[in-house]
Formats: sequence, C-alpha cells, structure tokens
Amino acid sequence: GAGVSQSPSNKVTEKGKDVELRCDPISGHTALYWYRQSLGQGLEFLIYFQGNSAPDKSGLPSDRFSAERTGGSVSTLTIQRTQQEDSAVYLCASSLEREAPGGQYFGPGTRLTVT
Amino acid sequence: SQQGEEDPQALSIQEGENATMNCSYKTSINNLQWYRQNSGRGLVHLILIRSNEREKHSGRLRVTLDTSKKSSSLLITASRAADTASYFCANGRGGKLIFGQGTELSVKP
Repeated sequence: GAGVSQSPSNKVTEKGKDVELRCDPISGHTALYWYRQSLGQGLEFLIYFQGNSAPDKSGLPSDRFSAERTGGSVSTLTIQRTQQEDSAVYLCASSLEREAPGGQYFGPGTRLTVT
Repeated sequence: SQQGEEDPQALSIQEGENATMNCSYKTSINNLQWYRQNSGRGLVHLILIRSNEREKHSGRLRVTLDTSKKSSSLLITASRAADTASYFCANGRGGKLIFGQGTELSVKP
C-alpha cells in the first residue's frame, strides 16, 4: 500500500517568509508525528498527534512553528517568519497506534532551505 | 534536544563480518527502537524492544536491552554491502521518539 507522503520534496524560501509543509499519513494510522533533521541537531521531535487527543507540542522550538491535523488524516506544519536556522529536512511519520510494535513509518521528508 | 549517545560514531567492516552498535539513554523508556537511514529508502524501522524484554531477534538483527545500565546494542550478523547506512536508536516514551546521534556503518564488499 501507499506509504507516508510529503510535499513539497524541496522548498527554498527567503528569510522572513512563511512556509507550509504537508504530510499524508498511511490510511488508518491514528498517530502522526513531525521531526526535523539537521547536521547540527540530528533528529529532533517536533509535535505528535494521537487521535482526537490534544497534540504533544513539547518539541516545537518556538511559537513560529505550528501544526494541525485535519479530519484525523492530513497534517500541515507551518513555519512563520522563517529564519536560516530553520533550514533542515522535515520528516513526517505515522503509526497505527501510539507505541505500535511496528514502529513509525517515515515519509521521504521536505528539505527546507531558508536563504 | 537529543537524549542518549551511540557508539561508535562510525564503523567500517568487510562483508560477512558482524557489526555491533551501542546506544545509551538518559531517561526511562517504555521501549527502545532502532531505525536505519540511507539515501535510497529514508528512515526505516528495524526493531522495537520493550522495557521488560532483554533480547530480541529479527532475521540477521539481534537487539539487547539492559535497563539497569540504560543501554542497548544492535548486532547485525553476516553483514552485506546493502547494510551500509546510518543506524539510530530511539527512546520511545510517550509515543514520540527521542533519537540518538547515530552510527554510520560502512560495509565494504
């Protein structure tokens, strides 16, 4: 079946602009996660949605970052007033349930470059 | 911020040899997971071991967990060139994953 998909695959934006990154999880997966990966910081957790529960936003680095998940499916990560330090690969993952034995399924990522 | 460390940071071996990677973590876990990342397939889940388990096998993979030492190890037996990748351990607590810095494994044919 189809895996996790993300769009765009690459995004170049100017400092100060807003960007939206999209994630389509695997159908039927109740849990959805955002991470980012950069050379300096490695793989960092950002935010986690589980069903209808309030999201775990503990990993968001600043209030310029927000995410929503509509209808329990598609999620959008929004970064406002982008800064150069936001440059990274943003990864979305989903899982059948919280702490599923099969782990999390990752998408290919969106490479964000802020100039 | 990251929790835990992995060693070695880089490992180079010949095909057919075994590769062992170690992971230490700082906080309590519900489970410890291992992932592989290469340019071709992105980040892929390999194996999950729960906090009440001590050893788990999956194909050529063997994972051990020592909660008293807050450490885990991943053994890949009879390595292949296709095993060349970065390997990450992750503390699976509260649903989210907290990753280590990873080990870069290079398997030479």
